[in-house]
Amino acid sequence: EAQVTQNPRYLITVTGKKLTVTCSQNMNHEYMSWYRQDPGLGLRQIYYSMNVEVTDKGDVPEGYKVSRKEKRNFPLILESPSPNQTSLYFCASSLQGSGAAGYTFGSGTRLTVV
Amino acid sequence: GIQVEQSPPDLILQEGANSTLRCNFSDSVNNLQWFHQNPWGQLINLFYIPSGTKQNGRLSATTVATERYSLLYISSSQTTDSGVYFCAVTTSGTYKYIFGTGTRLKVLA
Repeated sequence: EAQVTQNPRYLITVTGKKLTVTCSQNMNHEYMSWYRQDPGLGLRQIYYSMNVEVTDKGDVPEGYKVSRKEKRNFPLILESPSPNQTSLYFCASSLQGSGAAGYTFGSGTRLTVV
Repeated sequence: GIQVEQSPPDLILQEGANSTLRCNFSDSVNNLQWFHQNPWGQLINLFYIPSGTKQNGRLSATTVATERYSLLYISSSQTTDSGVYFCAVTTSGTYKYIFGTGTRLKVLA
């Protein structure tokens, strides 16, 4: 089944403890992206990647890192999480950046930083 | 940067009714998509529609790029149409997506 898989689905952590949220797609998509969703603010893009070793900032990149060493994986790294990073996170992928051939989201990761 | 506004913010319909959701954007776009987030949080891509009109079953969308707006039409609404509808755009030279804040739709049985 074609899908974007995020792990974990739920995570509670403490301020300052480094964490990684994994994202993997099995559709050979070139474009991958991370979003955060907060009440009243819609989805805001954190980082995106056009292909392996090519990443670029979205609207809210501060406090996050990403890497794209393989086409299928695009992990989101919070080196020193803070409470304002408590949010619902989505990973997404598409064949190209335009999304003309479809845009697939993962199921989401709900992160709480205490 | 580009601003994306959606209206109305909230909409309640009786099953079987029709509705129109609007997405206005403040600058030229090279990409526009509509998404549906169901009540369980799952996000589904509905349309890729930077210009023109497309239809998929009871849903259709029209984008008038020169006037900087897009419309999503839902006909004969069903309870399964409930959720939040987002439009998202990218501008020339970038694939950075900007989402609107969404229209929350509730369809009553």
